[in-house]
Amino acid sequence: GQQLNQSPQSMFIQEGEDVSMNCTSSSIFNTWLWYKQDPGEGPVLLIALYKAGELTSNGRLTAQFGITRKDSFLNISASIPSDVGIYFCAGQDQGAQKLVFGQGTRLTINP
Amino acid sequence: EAGVAQSPRYKIIEKRQSVAFWCNPISGHATLYWYQQILGQGPKLLIQFQNNGVVDDSQLPKDRFSAERLKGVDSTLKIQPAKLEDSAVYLCASSRLGLAVYEQYFGPGTRLTVT
Repeated sequence: GQQLNQSPQSMFIQEGEDVSMNCTSSSIFNTWLWYKQDPGEGPVLLIALYKAGELTSNGRLTAQFGITRKDSFLNISASIPSDVGIYFCAGQDQGAQKLVFGQGTRLTINP
Repeated sequence: EAGVAQSPRYKIIEKRQSVAFWCNPISGHATLYWYQQILGQGPKLLIQFQNNGVVDDSQLPKDRFSAERLKGVDSTLKIQPAKLEDSAVYLCASSRLGLAVYEQYFGPGTRLTVT
């Protein structure tokens, strides 16, 4: 089946640093999504990308839909303690009305 | 607006026992999803309902898992009998009919430990 590979699996950074993570797929997706999951909670949608090459921002978050439609990245600028959590990419295939999730990137911020 | 409610939040059972999880979606949301999230992995869709009909259950292990949504509102996911590899967080999500599949809201999940 379709698989998404996220990297890195974990990140340890200092508060104020910028963060970059990416996601690659063996398949083409029509929509790329980025979610954040806090401990004991379900994932929350951060950014949705609809077109190849699209660059979208949401506050300090910026995400891009790769030209090949097989990859996406998420950047977080000037990280703050509440950015701690697990970030998931997800892809939606137009033909199948369901989401495929990556395995997540765990972000830890050192005080 | 109240979010997606799930219960119980935690459950510990022995292998070969049965367990059931309950989900109450956001009011007015016709579409309901159950996901399995194994530790260190992303959520994997088990089953999708639209009202009380099944849209997709292709990844549901039907020999031991079952789900129902009898009145098109609440849903129950059951595992019988449980195996060690069923240890995971079971997430329920819901969305309004006609919206994009990613416009779904997740509940807090039920963490199942099978010993």
